[in-house]
Amino acid sequence: DGGITQSPKYLFRKEGQNVTLSCEQNLNHDAMYWYRQDPGQGLRLIYYSQIVNDFQKGDIAEGYSVSREKKESFPLTVTSAQKNPTAFYLCASSRSTAETQYFGPGTRLLVL
Amino acid sequence: GQNIDQPTEMTATEGAIVQINCTYQTSGFNGLFWYQQHAGEAPTFLSYNVLDGLEEKGRFSSFLSRSKGYSYLLLKELQMKDSASYLCAAPTDSWGKLQFGAGTQVVVTP
Repeated sequence: DGGITQSPKYLFRKEGQNVTLSCEQNLNHDAMYWYRQDPGQGLRLIYYSQIVNDFQKGDIAEGYSVSREKKESFPLTVTSAQKNPTAFYLCASSRSTAETQYFGPGTRLLVL
Repeated sequence: GQNIDQPTEMTATEGAIVQINCTYQTSGFNGLFWYQQHAGEAPTFLSYNVLDGLEEKGRFSSFLSRSKGYSYLLLKELQMKDSASYLCAAPTDSWGKLQFGAGTQVVVTP
């Protein structure tokens, strides 16, 4: 079954802690993306990667970091510098840039 | 950045038709995407218009006018399961980076 998986479904972060959200796809897509969604708002782009070993900042990259060491994987780390991390985090992928993006099921991050 | 405007909420009865409008600043980059998002779930792809005109896909149709920066999503024969948020998204650069609207919450009543 081809698709995009994200784990965990729910994640709790303590003050001052870094946490990493997983995103994996087996669609053989080159491009991958991370979005953040807050209640009543649209999706905002955090980071994106057009190809392996390359990634670019999106509109709200501060307090986040990513890596793209494998085509299938694009993990997102929420660092302690992100002061308001509570949100729904969505990973997406597309065959190439400017093509349709398909989303994973999302991870809901909550701060303890 | 790109300004995407769509209504916050629309209510309609089962079996009716609802039209969700989306306006955006024309950026010179083609295409307009529509996604459906049920509460607590990820967005799912509905349609992509790259040319002007109407594209029909079952009960859902999408229209685009690139010169006017205007699109709409038409939902026909509404069903209760169509209650969801509908997001429009437009490219903001040649790379295809998308700007999403805040979404239109459609409430279908019996």
